[in-house]
Amino acid sequence: NAGVMQNPRHLVRRRGQEARLRCSPMKGHSHVYWYRQLPEEGLKFMVYLQKENIIDESGMPKERFSAEFPKEGPSILRIQQVVRGDSAAYFCASSRGQGSSGANVLTFGAGSRLTVL
Amino acid sequence: SQQGEEDPQALSIQEGENATMNCSYKTSINNLQWYRQNSGRGLVHLILIRSNEREKHSGRLRVTLDTSKKSSSLLITASRAADTASYFCATDPTGANSKLTFGKGITLSVRP
Repeated sequence: NAGVMQNPRHLVRRRGQEARLRCSPMKGHSHVYWYRQLPEEGLKFMVYLQKENIIDESGMPKERFSAEFPKEGPSILRIQQVVRGDSAAYFCASSRGQGSSGANVLTFGAGSRLTVL
Repeated sequence: SQQGEEDPQALSIQEGENATMNCSYKTSINNLQWYRQNSGRGLVHLILIRSNEREKHSGRLRVTLDTSKKSSSLLITASRAADTASYFCATDPTGANSKLTFGKGITLSVRP
């Protein structure tokens, strides 16, 4: 019963390259969330997806960032033309949604650490 | 700004002592959750308290919620060196399609 799987765990890119981060949610979870963590700044919400739908992308930068959660396969967070400021840890979390309990409890992956040179 | 704001930002205590961490928030919530993060790892859910609850226990954890003051506290009793980690409160707002909003976290160091 694997948890939330993220890969790669570490990614190094040069300025201007593309970064693709993948997340496979926990079995039985259909809700995926992406958060970014910078030192001293806690976790900042980026995007919330369900299968084939973006539910809330209010935390996503307007340019260069995109996310998808296709019918088959993992969720992808894509950062085009990376800049040094994109260096951070990116965490994916999944849940069953609020369900009958009315509570949304997240299970996190171990994170993908992006370093932009 | 972040919905949840924890204080203190950092806490250092001796093994065996109790650790109290506080969280304040701004808007209506369905529930409030506390998570723990060990260095270099993902967050792990610790405990959840609903808006109609005032106190909840889980092992050495005790969480309280005061919705009139929009604040919560997490108490870890009889701390251990293994409790050293960062602790985050997260608010789950009312309404459908909610997303958790996290504070900046509290760094707890427990000295052996």
